[in-house]
Amino acid sequence: EAGVTQFPSHSVIEKGQTVTLRCDPISGHDNLYWYRRVMGKEIKFLLHFVKESKQDESGMPNNRFLAERTGGTYSTLKVQPAELEDSGVYFCASSQSSYNSPLHFGNGTRLTVT
Amino acid sequence: AQSVTQPDIHITVSEGASLELRCNYSYGATPYLFWYVQSPGQGLQLLLKYFSGDTLVQGIKGFEAEFKRSQSSFNLRKPSVHWSDAAEYFCVLTGGGNKLTFGTGTQLKVEL
Repeated sequence: EAGVTQFPSHSVIEKGQTVTLRCDPISGHDNLYWYRRVMGKEIKFLLHFVKESKQDESGMPNNRFLAERTGGTYSTLKVQPAELEDSGVYFCASSQSSYNSPLHFGNGTRLTVT
Repeated sequence: AQSVTQPDIHITVSEGASLELRCNYSYGATPYLFWYVQSPGQGLQLLLKYFSGDTLVQGIKGFEAEFKRSQSSFNLRKPSVHWSDAAEYFCVLTGGGNKLTFGTGTQLKVEL
């Protein structure tokens, strides 16, 4: 089966610009997660979709971040406007169940805001 | 609040030597624990998991980990390291759902 794919793999933008990250989960996985690792820190949870609904968005840092999953398939994470502290690696993961089901992670998108 | 501590940021071992990566957790109930690995340019891959039962769990690539409740630890071990094991290793905790709490990671370097 195809794994979780993320696009782009790298993105370099200037402060104030907008960036949209995309995640395609494994087919049939209703649960989709976004995580982020900023430089030197641990990987942290951002949010969780079940199909097209946001189940938990408690980790979203502020309202400059907007995640969508229209149709319950792929997801996008938009940062508008980007700030320097948004730089990091953004991981997407998917799973069949939201409980005791292993997460399958993508390779991540490395975002650099200059 | 739950937390995971990986006290070693970097570890260097010789190929063929044994390996132990330390992990301590803080959680108010029985945790669900994982070790993930990220090789260069790759995503996070699940090595092994502990949910309940036998406290010594076996994983992929010859890794094992032992859950010690009295020490709040879940250390990862491998008897003989291969050069391809060079990667970053993450100890991860959850209360059962998939909202994971990660440690800061341990970067493993293998000397030939």
